[in-house]
Amino acid sequence: KAGVTQTPRYLIKTRGQQVTLSCSPISGHRSVSWYQQTPGQGLQFLFEYFSETQRNKGNFPGRFSGRQFSNSRSEMNVSTLELGDSALYLCASSLGFSYNEQFFGPGTRLTVL
Amino acid sequence: AQSVAQPEDQVNVAEGNPLTVKCTYSVSGNPYLFWYVQYPNRGLQFLLKYITGDNLVKGSYGFEAEFNKSQTSFHLKKPSALVSDSALYFCAVRDMKNFNKFYFGSGTKLNVKP
Repeated sequence: KAGVTQTPRYLIKTRGQQVTLSCSPISGHRSVSWYQQTPGQGLQFLFEYFSETQRNKGNFPGRFSGRQFSNSRSEMNVSTLELGDSALYLCASSLGFSYNEQFFGPGTRLTVL
Repeated sequence: AQSVAQPEDQVNVAEGNPLTVKCTYSVSGNPYLFWYVQYPNRGLQFLLKYITGDNLVKGSYGFEAEFNKSQTSFHLKKPSALVSDSALYFCAVRDMKNFNKFYFGSGTKLNVKP
Protein backbone atom coordinates (compact mmCIF):
# COMPACT_ATOMS: atom_id res chain seq x y z
CA LYS A 1 0.00 0.00 0.00
CA ALA A 2 1.43 3.38 -0.97
CA GLY A 3 2.20 5.77 1.86
CA VAL A 4 1.26 9.40 2.30
CA THR A 5 2.65 11.53 -0.48
CA GLN A 6 3.27 15.24 -0.41
CA THR A 7 4.06 17.59 -3.25
CA PRO A 8 6.19 19.47 -3.80
CA ARG A 9 8.98 18.26 -1.54
CA TYR A 10 10.81 21.59 -1.61
CA LEU A 11 9.59 25.09 -2.25
CA ILE A 12 11.22 28.51 -2.21
CA LYS A 13 9.01 31.58 -2.11
CA THR A 14 9.41 35.26 -1.30
CA ARG A 15 7.59 37.29 1.30
CA GLY A 16 4.08 38.27 0.33
CA GLN A 17 3.55 35.39 -2.06
CA GLN A 18 1.13 32.56 -1.49
CA VAL A 19 1.72 28.84 -1.66
CA THR A 20 -0.35 25.68 -2.00
CA LEU A 21 0.83 22.34 -0.68
CA SER A 22 -0.73 19.04 -1.60
CA CYS A 23 -1.18 15.80 0.29
CA SER A 24 -2.47 12.42 -0.89
CA PRO A 25 -3.42 10.13 2.00
CA ILE A 26 -3.12 6.40 2.21
CA SER A 27 -5.88 4.71 0.28
CA GLY A 28 -8.93 4.26 2.50
CA HIS A 29 -7.91 6.92 5.00
CA ARG A 30 -10.54 9.62 5.42
CA SER A 31 -8.75 11.94 7.83
CA VAL A 32 -5.91 14.27 6.90
CA SER A 33 -4.06 16.49 9.35
CA TRP A 34 -1.46 19.16 8.75
CA TYR A 35 1.43 20.13 11.01
CA GLN A 36 4.17 22.74 10.95
CA GLN A 37 7.57 21.62 12.20
CA THR A 38 10.27 24.12 13.11
CA PRO A 39 13.39 23.78 15.28
CA GLY A 40 12.12 26.37 17.73
CA GLN A 41 8.44 25.49 18.02
CA GLY A 42 8.53 21.77 17.37
CA LEU A 43 5.48 20.12 15.85
CA GLN A 44 2.43 22.32 15.84
CA PHE A 45 -1.01 21.21 14.75
CA LEU A 46 -2.57 23.26 11.96
CA PHE A 47 -5.87 21.56 11.15
CA GLU A 48 -7.58 18.25 10.57
CA TYR A 49 -10.04 17.32 7.87
CA PHE A 50 -12.43 14.41 7.79
CA SER A 51 -14.79 13.68 4.92
CA GLU A 52 -14.21 17.13 3.40
CA THR A 53 -15.02 18.94 6.66
CA GLN A 54 -12.57 20.71 8.93
CA ARG A 55 -12.84 18.80 12.17
CA ASN A 56 -10.57 20.94 14.30
CA LYS A 57 -8.03 23.71 14.01
CA GLY A 58 -4.87 24.80 15.75
CA ASN A 59 -3.83 28.30 16.75
CA PHE A 60 -2.62 29.68 13.46
CA PRO A 61 -3.66 32.90 11.74
CA GLY A 62 -6.26 32.95 9.00
CA ARG A 63 -3.51 33.11 6.38
CA PHE A 64 -3.30 29.35 6.82
CA SER A 65 -6.19 27.50 5.26
CA GLY A 66 -6.93 24.09 3.91
CA ARG A 67 -9.46 21.91 2.24
CA GLN A 68 -10.15 18.29 1.54
CA PHE A 69 -11.57 16.82 -1.62
CA SER A 70 -14.02 13.97 -2.05
CA ASN A 71 -11.14 11.55 -2.75
CA SER A 72 -9.62 12.56 0.64
CA ARG A 73 -6.73 14.40 -0.96
CA SER A 74 -6.00 17.63 0.84
CA GLU A 75 -4.41 20.97 0.08
CA MET A 76 -3.04 23.57 2.41
CA ASN A 77 -2.69 27.20 1.42
CA VAL A 78 -0.65 29.93 3.03
CA SER A 79 -1.24 33.46 1.81
CA THR A 80 0.92 36.55 2.28
CA LEU A 81 3.95 34.53 3.26
CA GLU A 82 6.18 35.73 6.08
CA LEU A 83 9.77 34.78 6.85
CA GLY A 84 8.53 32.93 9.93
CA ASP A 85 6.50 30.57 7.77
CA SER A 86 9.69 28.82 6.72
CA ALA A 87 9.25 25.30 8.05
CA LEU A 88 8.69 21.66 7.24
CA TYR A 89 4.99 21.09 6.64
CA LEU A 90 3.87 17.59 7.42
CA CYS A 91 0.70 15.90 6.35
CA ALA A 92 -0.66 12.86 8.15
CA SER A 93 -3.54 10.55 7.34
CA SER A 94 -5.55 8.12 9.40
CA LEU A 95 -8.69 6.06 9.21
CA GLY A 96 -10.40 8.82 11.11
CA PHE A 97 -11.26 7.51 14.54
CA SER A 98 -9.69 9.23 17.54
CA TYR A 99 -7.80 6.12 18.57
CA ASN A 100 -6.26 5.61 15.13
CA GLU A 101 -2.60 6.41 14.71
CA GLN A 102 -1.55 8.87 12.05
CA PHE A 103 0.75 8.06 9.15
CA PHE A 104 2.99 10.88 8.09
CA GLY A 105 4.25 11.95 4.73
CA PRO A 106 7.85 13.07 4.10
CA GLY A 107 6.88 16.72 4.31
CA THR A 108 7.26 19.82 2.19
CA ARG A 109 10.21 22.04 3.07
CA LEU A 110 9.10 25.65 2.56
CA THR A 111 11.68 28.40 2.55
CA VAL A 112 10.50 32.01 2.52
CA LEU A 113 13.07 34.58 1.43
CA ALA B 1 -1.19 24.71 29.58
CA GLN B 2 1.00 22.22 27.80
CA SER B 3 -0.91 19.03 27.03
CA VAL B 4 2.13 16.83 26.67
CA ALA B 5 5.66 17.35 27.95
CA GLN B 6 8.95 15.67 27.24
CA PRO B 7 11.25 16.96 29.97
CA GLU B 8 14.51 15.86 28.33
CA ASP B 9 15.77 17.47 25.12
CA GLN B 10 18.36 14.74 24.78
CA VAL B 11 19.02 11.28 26.17
CA ASN B 12 22.39 9.57 25.86
CA VAL B 13 22.75 5.84 26.36
CA ALA B 14 25.36 3.22 25.53
CA GLU B 15 24.49 0.46 23.10
CA GLY B 16 23.15 -2.59 24.91
CA ASN B 17 21.91 -0.60 27.89
CA PRO B 18 18.22 -0.04 28.62
CA LEU B 19 16.75 3.28 27.54
CA THR B 20 13.87 5.41 28.77
CA VAL B 21 12.41 8.47 27.09
CA LYS B 22 10.02 10.33 29.36
CA CYS B 23 6.60 11.77 28.58
CA THR B 24 3.92 13.27 30.79
CA TYR B 25 0.51 14.51 29.77
CA SER B 26 -2.11 16.84 31.18
CA VAL B 27 -5.43 16.30 29.49
CA SER B 28 -8.68 15.56 31.26
CA GLY B 29 -10.48 12.30 30.80
CA ASN B 30 -8.93 9.15 29.43
CA PRO B 31 -6.17 10.02 26.99
CA TYR B 32 -5.15 8.34 23.81
CA LEU B 33 -1.33 8.32 23.85
CA PHE B 34 1.13 7.73 21.04
CA TRP B 35 4.85 7.55 20.39
CA TYR B 36 6.45 8.45 17.08
CA VAL B 37 10.04 8.37 15.88
CA GLN B 38 11.68 10.63 13.30
CA TYR B 39 14.89 9.49 11.68
CA PRO B 40 17.11 12.09 9.96
CA ASN B 41 15.61 13.30 6.70
CA ARG B 42 12.63 11.00 7.07
CA GLY B 43 9.06 11.48 8.14
CA LEU B 44 7.57 10.52 11.46
CA GLN B 45 6.86 6.84 11.99
CA PHE B 46 4.33 5.41 14.40
CA LEU B 47 5.83 3.28 17.18
CA LEU B 48 3.02 2.40 19.54
CA LYS B 49 -0.14 3.64 21.23
CA TYR B 50 -2.17 3.28 24.38
CA ILE B 51 -5.94 3.37 24.07
CA THR B 52 -7.20 1.22 26.92
CA GLY B 53 -6.45 -2.05 28.67
CA ASP B 54 -3.02 -3.31 29.67
CA ASN B 55 -0.82 -0.49 30.90
CA LEU B 56 2.23 -1.92 29.15
CA VAL B 57 2.01 -1.65 25.39
CA LYS B 58 4.48 -3.11 22.93
CA GLY B 59 5.34 -1.55 19.61
CA SER B 60 7.71 -1.61 16.70
CA TYR B 61 11.47 -2.26 16.83
CA GLY B 62 11.31 -3.73 20.35
CA PHE B 63 10.00 -0.58 21.99
CA GLU B 64 7.40 -0.58 24.72
CA ALA B 65 5.70 2.06 26.84
CA GLU B 66 4.05 2.06 30.21
CA PHE B 67 0.91 4.05 30.89
CA ASN B 68 0.76 5.32 34.46
CA LYS B 69 -2.51 7.08 35.20
CA SER B 70 -1.59 8.25 38.71
CA GLN B 71 1.60 9.88 37.45
CA THR B 72 0.04 10.91 34.11
CA SER B 73 3.04 9.47 32.33
CA PHE B 74 3.68 7.38 29.25
CA HIS B 75 7.41 6.67 29.20
CA LEU B 76 8.98 4.91 26.22
CA LYS B 77 11.36 2.06 27.02
CA LYS B 78 13.60 -0.49 25.37
CA PRO B 79 15.54 -3.19 27.24
CA SER B 80 18.64 -3.00 25.04
CA ALA B 81 19.43 0.04 22.91
CA LEU B 82 20.88 -0.14 19.41
CA VAL B 83 22.96 2.51 17.65
CA SER B 84 20.26 2.50 14.96
CA ASP B 85 17.72 3.67 17.56
CA SER B 86 19.36 7.10 17.49
CA ALA B 87 16.62 9.46 16.35
CA LEU B 88 14.13 12.08 17.49
CA TYR B 89 11.23 10.71 19.53
CA PHE B 90 7.88 12.41 19.94
CA CYS B 91 5.13 11.69 22.42
CA ALA B 92 1.61 12.70 21.39
CA VAL B 93 -1.80 12.81 23.02
CA ARG B 94 -5.29 13.03 21.61
CA ASP B 95 -7.30 15.39 23.82
CA MET B 96 -10.80 13.94 23.78
CA LYS B 97 -12.19 16.89 25.74
CA ASN B 98 -10.74 19.49 23.36
CA PHE B 99 -12.19 18.64 19.98
CA ASN B 100 -9.96 15.58 19.73
CA LYS B 101 -6.96 17.75 18.98
CA PHE B 102 -3.64 16.02 18.58
CA TYR B 103 -0.79 17.50 20.65
CA PHE B 104 2.85 16.59 20.22
CA GLY B 105 5.63 16.95 22.75
CA SER B 106 8.73 18.94 21.93
CA GLY B 107 10.70 15.82 21.08
CA THR B 108 13.64 14.03 22.69
CA LYS B 109 16.82 13.32 20.78
CA LEU B 110 18.09 9.87 21.60
CA ASN B 111 21.80 9.25 21.10
CA VAL B 112 22.95 5.66 21.36
CA LYS B 113 26.74 5.35 21.43
CA PRO B 114 28.63 2.20 20.46
